[in-house]
Amino acid sequence: EPEVTQTPSHQVTQMGQEVILRCVPISNHLYFYWYRQILGQKVEFLVSFYNNEISEKSEIFDDQFSVERPDGSNFTLKIRSTKLEDSAMYFCASSVRGDGYGYTFGSGTRLTVV
Amino acid sequence: DQQVKQNSPSLSVQEGRISILNCDYTNSMFDYFLWYKKYPAEGPTFLISISSIKDKNEDGRFTVFLNKSAKHLSLHIVPSQPGDSAVYFCAASAYGGATNKLIFGTGTLLAVQP
Repeated sequence: EPEVTQTPSHQVTQMGQEVILRCVPISNHLYFYWYRQILGQKVEFLVSFYNNEISEKSEIFDDQFSVERPDGSNFTLKIRSTKLEDSAMYFCASSVRGDGYGYTFGSGTRLTVV
Repeated sequence: DQQVKQNSPSLSVQEGRISILNCDYTNSMFDYFLWYKKYPAEGPTFLISISSIKDKNEDGRFTVFLNKSAKHLSLHIVPSQPGDSAVYFCAASAYGGATNKLIFGTGTLLAVQP
């Protein structure tokens, strides 16, 4: 069964530091996403990416966030200057089509900002 | 703005009985609905989906029913097994063309008692 792979599984960082969360989507998928889940809350959409550009972003995805697909296989989320409230589980997802079919999530990166 | 609502935060069911998880939505533009199962510190795992052109989709022990007029969907698990114990999220999407984001409900914690 193809998987979406995320690294690291857990990242602890100091407030104000930059972090990069990495994802390897399923190889034949064309649509890529980042979501996050703050402890005890629901899973929230951050950004979608298609054809090497952002398709949609939420109000959470401000100038501190950026995404990149640097080499055709990896898909990264960068937070430039982390805040305490960025502490959450971050999930990468990919889908083969844009209509939701085959939407598959990775196991997540737990980001803890101290 | 809670576009997708799961009003039951938890549900307890005896092994072998039916589990019924409910989900309501407010946005009439949603045209694709998905159910995910999630364990703590793991990513959501896809269970079953339904397009708005259908009112029922079945996959093994899992059946999803969609009532568009009531903006309501439900997931039936028959028979329930202890391994089904997890948090269940419903999610909805409105395919806008390029990519689509999933809007998640707050989840229902299902406990299947042996």
